[in-house]
Amino acid sequence: GAVVSQHPSRVICKSGTSVKIECRSLDFQATTMFWYRQFPKQSLMLMATSNEGSKATYEQGVEKDKFLINHASLTLSTLTVTSAHPEDSSFYICSARAGLAGVGNEQFFGPGTRLTVL
Amino acid sequence: QKEVEQDPGPLSVPEGAIVSLNCTYSNSAFQYFMWYRQYSRKGPELLMYTYSSGNKEDGRFTAQVDKSSKYISLFIRDSQPSDSATYLCAMSGTGGFKTIFGAGTRLFVKA
Repeated sequence: GAVVSQHPSRVICKSGTSVKIECRSLDFQATTMFWYRQFPKQSLMLMATSNEGSKATYEQGVEKDKFLINHASLTLSTLTVTSAHPEDSSFYICSARAGLAGVGNEQFFGPGTRLTVL
Repeated sequence: QKEVEQDPGPLSVPEGAIVSLNCTYSNSAFQYFMWYRQYSRKGPELLMYTYSSGNKEDGRFTAQVDKSSKYISLFIRDSQPSDSATYLCAMSGTGGFKTIFGAGTRLFVKA
């Protein structure tokens, strides 16, 4: 299957700082990338959908000014958690899809980034 | 009612058992059905991807889709301790349809 990388895999930061997480599709061009948040023993919570070259679409309840998403190229999307606070501590996972939902356009997930805000 | 219902478990089985994991859904527009496996503190890994109704087999894994009943299943034959993980079902429609995930079923295979 296709490979999606995420960096960093783990980050610990002080409250009030901003953290950037990168998501890259390594062997395919991702028209659409997704950002999820996952709490322990819970399922994936979709935060936002980003399409290359356009603004991200955020899910209800997700603060777009706090979680900045940039999908600057067909292989890279970034999530910046601005002014992070302890309640932002979570496991953040990105996924990428080559095109619209359809045959051969499965979502492939990155390995996740564990964010701990002190 | 959630669009996708999946029993969170946990499900505990002995090594070698046949495991049956299931999801039900309510939206008849779903046409693409997926199963992901997620190990603790890792991203989900795509296991099976099927279109419309029918069966698909890959090694020890078989995915079944019954669109008339809005019911999908994943069977794991000869289960191994390494199969211990959370299994998420997911489904989507055509075009710009969002993928909807189940809550995930935690599976434990005891040696």
